[in-house]
Order: sequence, then structure tokens, then C-alpha cells
Amino acid sequence: SQQGEEDPQALSIQEGENATMNCSYKTSINNLQWYRQNSGRGLVHLILIRSNEREKHSGRLRVTLDTSKKSSSLLITASRAADTASYFCATVEDSSYKLIFGSGTRLLVRP
Amino acid sequence: SAVISQKPSRDICQRGTSLTIQCQVDSQVTMMFWYRQQPGQSLTLIATANQGSEATYESGFVIDKFPISRPNLTFSTLTVSNMSPEDSSIYLCSAGESPEKLFFGSGTQLSVL
Repeated sequence: SQQGEEDPQALSIQEGENATMNCSYKTSINNLQWYRQNSGRGLVHLILIRSNEREKHSGRLRVTLDTSKKSSSLLITASRAADTASYFCATVEDSSYKLIFGSGTRLLVRP
Repeated sequence: SAVISQKPSRDICQRGTSLTIQCQVDSQVTMMFWYRQQPGQSLTLIATANQGSEATYESGFVIDKFPISRPNLTFSTLTVSNMSPEDSSIYLCSAGESPEKLFFGSGTQLSVL
């Protein structure tokens, strides 16, 4: 089963612009993670934010979490063509060990 | 970190046949999972591979269709049985010590004719 929805489903931007992707989820969570997938194959873990955190940074990535709205956002600043990929949020529910993925956003960064 | 090798990377199969996908981790891990990613879709958890015991399946997935083995802490297999075109997907293995950081194999792209 999927935890929630991401929007937009697809995003096309010019290199150098910022990209923002949003994720909503349904249940109480322990943490929320963002993953990147190139060309429909293996996933790479980008960043994790815990339920008691509101914002986290890693390089050009900024993640926010609003547990009252059950939503998160991923901001990629100064995008590059190499950022072109699909991005997924994934959650671990309270008292669970399973990672459940959102629907994903396909990002295209035009050179 | 863990390096995960998945084999085969892709296959084209005839309907009614079965395919076994292997997942090898370069270190012992507590957790191993199998996911399915249908074309253009997100990842759906199939099951948790339990070492030395039967896998734990998610709703909509059954052992007869997706038998899973995990004989030790570094290896697991997923079999897709009696395949139909609807089984055409990418199958991904993931593993790690904690759900806070899982590593993923590069996936097996399965096409069923």
C-alpha cells in the first residue's frame, strides 16, 4: 500500500531554478525520508527528517516537515541537469519497521 | 553502508513460467525487503524477507505467487510464479540494519510476453 501522494506528479524547470516537491501522508509517523531514482532503477537515500524535527538541510537540499498537516516538502536549490530523476518520499509509521513510499515526482531539469 | 547485487538485471519471460530473482548483500543485515514498481508507478512493498522463517507478505501479495527465501543474513530470493503480462514490473530488493536507512539494489526489469 502507498502512504500518500506527492505533487506535482511531474515538474519541468530550467537549470539554476529551484525545484519544490510536496508529499502528504496519512498516518502517524516516526520519520520521513526522501529518495531519488534515476532511470527507473535503484534508489538512493537523500535525507531523513524525524517526526520531532521541522526542517533539515543537506547541501542543496532542504526538507521541511509539518506533522499537524501530515506533509513534507523537498526543495532543491540551484538545480542542475544531473538532478533530473524521480523523487519519492517514504515514511516509517509509528511502531513499524516498514518503509512505505509516496507516489513520486518526476523532475526534469532543462539545460 | 551496504552494497546490494541483484540478478538478473532484466529478463523477458513467457507467460506461465516462473522467474527467480536473487539479492546478495555484501554484509550481514537485519532487514531485507522486496518491492515491486509497476511501469510509471511508485514502489509497493511485497514482503519482508525473514531469515530462517516464512516471509511476511503485504496485503494483495501471497506466498504462492511470490515465494521468498532468506536462508541467511546476506541473501534472499524472490520468485515470480506463473507469470502473466500484469507481472511486468521492476522488482527491487532493499536491505539494511534499520528502516531509517535502507539500501536498494539496482532492480530487475521483468517483461512478460
